[in-house]
Amino acid sequence: AQKITQTQPGMFVQEKEAVTLDCTYDTSDPSYGLFWYKQPSSGEMIFLIYQGSYDQQNATEGRYSLNFQKARKSANLVISASQLGDSAMYFCAMREGWAAGNKLTFGGGTRVLVKP
Amino acid sequence: DGGITQSPKYLFRKEGQNVTLSCEQNLNHDAMYWYRQDPGQGLRLIYYSQIVNDFQKGDIAEGYSVSREKKESFPLTVTSAQKNPTAFYLCASRSRDRGSGQPQHFGDGTRLSIL
Repeated sequence: AQKITQTQPGMFVQEKEAVTLDCTYDTSDPSYGLFWYKQPSSGEMIFLIYQGSYDQQNATEGRYSLNFQKARKSANLVISASQLGDSAMYFCAMREGWAAGNKLTFGGGTRVLVKP
Repeated sequence: DGGITQSPKYLFRKEGQNVTLSCEQNLNHDAMYWYRQDPGQGLRLIYYSQIVNDFQKGDIAEGYSVSREKKESFPLTVTSAQKNPTAFYLCASRSRDRGSGQPQHFGDGTRLSIL
């Protein structure tokens, strides 16, 4: 079974509007972390935001926020007030526990294209 | 500026040839990672190292080898045993900042192609 699932292969969003990127995960470890990364066309991976499984509040970082629904095992990324520079691939990733190398498992990504 | 440097940016491999991808970091991070990314897909872990002179296989280690002789350096060798090496390779190191979940920070990647 897939540990991280991103069901939206691609999305269009109008500039200045908000967009939600879906991410569902599967783990039996009670301690885990969820990360979102942005990959522009140039290829580098840029860390955006983190949510720990024990965090009581949804994470926010500037225009990025994470809609964390633990019971549903979802960690959706919300980008508010989209900008042209937000056009990129976005990846959700999970770390299970704090041991075993803190390895990350990545989803397949969602491509976002912001329209002017 | 602190960061992760991967070189070369583009690399071409002939049949039967081993090639080595460089990854250097000056962030003083202990843990380093190598990932492979195929077009339109997510990242898959090849190898990782949590400390100097120690490394472990990831999910797709066959056909690859690594070394970790210095904290700053974690080179990846793509051997001739890797029959489909054409991909984008990303190196990462892991932050110690527990407050932000110890995220991995990435280099700019190396694109490897077969001649």
